[in-house]
Amino acid sequence: GQQVMQIPQYQHVQEGEDFTTYCNSSTTLSNIQWYKQRPGGHPVFLIQLVKSGEVKKQKRLTFQFGEAKKNSSLHITATQTTDVGTYFCAGPYNFNKFYFGSGTKLNVKP
Amino acid sequence: NAGVTQTPKFQVLKTGQSMTLQCAQDMNHNSMYWYRQDPGMGLRLIYYSASEGTTDKGEVPNGYNVSRLNKREFSLRLESAAPSQTSVYFCASSAGTKSYNEQFFGPGTRLTVL
Repeated sequence: GQQVMQIPQYQHVQEGEDFTTYCNSSTTLSNIQWYKQRPGGHPVFLIQLVKSGEVKKQKRLTFQFGEAKKNSSLHITATQTTDVGTYFCAGPYNFNKFYFGSGTKLNVKP
Repeated sequence: NAGVTQTPKFQVLKTGQSMTLQCAQDMNHNSMYWYRQDPGMGLRLIYYSASEGTTDKGEVPNGYNVSRLNKREFSLRLESAAPSQTSVYFCASSAGTKSYNEQFFGPGTRLTVL
């Protein structure tokens, strides 16, 4: 069935460096969502992308949805220690059910 | 508004015991979800409910039952717990209208089955 693959699994960066996580689906997605989970916390919604080639920005975060709507990325410019956490993408299947990627755990060294 | 609440926060069971995880939301959402989260595997959908009285299986439904008796509450039952069910369980809700909507997650239940 449709699944969403996410890489890398871990990323360790120095504060101020950039960070990118990638999501790939074997099938076309109607939309993709991104979530952030702080250590010991619960996932929190960041954004939803719907259109082919869409790019959205939230301060230092840039989200992209591929032209074929099969891949997506989240890029953080100049990471800060507050960016620490695990970032998940989620793609829908069967109306309102979602496959989540396995997540990218970001660690930022001050 | 409390958002999505879950009880209990922590639970330790012995193999074969049963228990029910409770979830409630006060956002008048239609859709509710139960996920489990295991290290390195992200979140996997156990069951989904589109509205009161309806439920649907997700990726990993075996060993679980759910009940959506009203719009607010969605419970998850383990009839005979197994060590493989040791995990963190998250309940979530979304407006669930015709377009896909953001999910709001509860704080989670950390379950250990010995």
